[in-house]
Amino acid sequence: AQSVAQPEDQVNVAEGNPLTVKCTYSVSGNPYLFWYVQYPNRGLQFLLKYITGDNLVKGSYGFEAEFNKSQTSFHLKKPSALVSDSALYFCAVRDGDTGRRALTFGSGTRLQVQP
Amino acid sequence: DARVTQTPRHKVTEMGQEVTMRCQPILGHNTVFWYRQTMMQGLELLAYFRNRAPLDDSGMPKDRFSAEMPDATLATLKIQPSEPRDSAVYFCASGWIIAGVPSEQFFGPGTRLTVL
Repeated sequence: AQSVAQPEDQVNVAEGNPLTVKCTYSVSGNPYLFWYVQYPNRGLQFLLKYITGDNLVKGSYGFEAEFNKSQTSFHLKKPSALVSDSALYFCAVRDGDTGRRALTFGSGTRLQVQP
Repeated sequence: DARVTQTPRHKVTEMGQEVTMRCQPILGHNTVFWYRQTMMQGLELLAYFRNRAPLDDSGMPKDRFSAEMPDATLATLKIQPSEPRDSAVYFCASGWIIAGVPSEQFFGPGTRLTVL
């Protein structure tokens, strides 16, 4: 089975400060991990992914995420938050050892960046 | 700029009516997904197709929902009969999978369904 947890419903951060949105996962094999962002009344947009290789993954809009196998985490980070980063963020996982499964999405974390 | 398209964008209907939602995946993608998003349940996977074959529809209420891909350029999601609890935003997404490795999914703009 595969699952993903986003422990925070909402994260508040001041503009210019670093931000972290947490994600932990559970799979039986090697994970494929993704982050998506959703702006109001829009579909989800891809930010970045980890398939294999370097544990630090860089993505769109200055976001990055670090894959930590021992902690089964894939936290999303940005060094300096912008008000325009305010949105709903989803982490997703797929077990690399199962051929038929689709991605499992987390429940989402609402990021609020205050000016 | 290739993108997933969905029609209609908004649909208001009365309970008991049939609803059909359509999706045109990005050309060349071999996986298609249907999701439902509500405030209470979040994002739920309804159906997953690979090379037009259904691989997983375990999240879909079988008695009233059906999903098909009549050809590579069209995916449909039907609800018959519709109920007020079906009110949600329905997203279609497409991507590809090669040698077991999935790409990112590209989401359409969604169909906002309201069942009165």
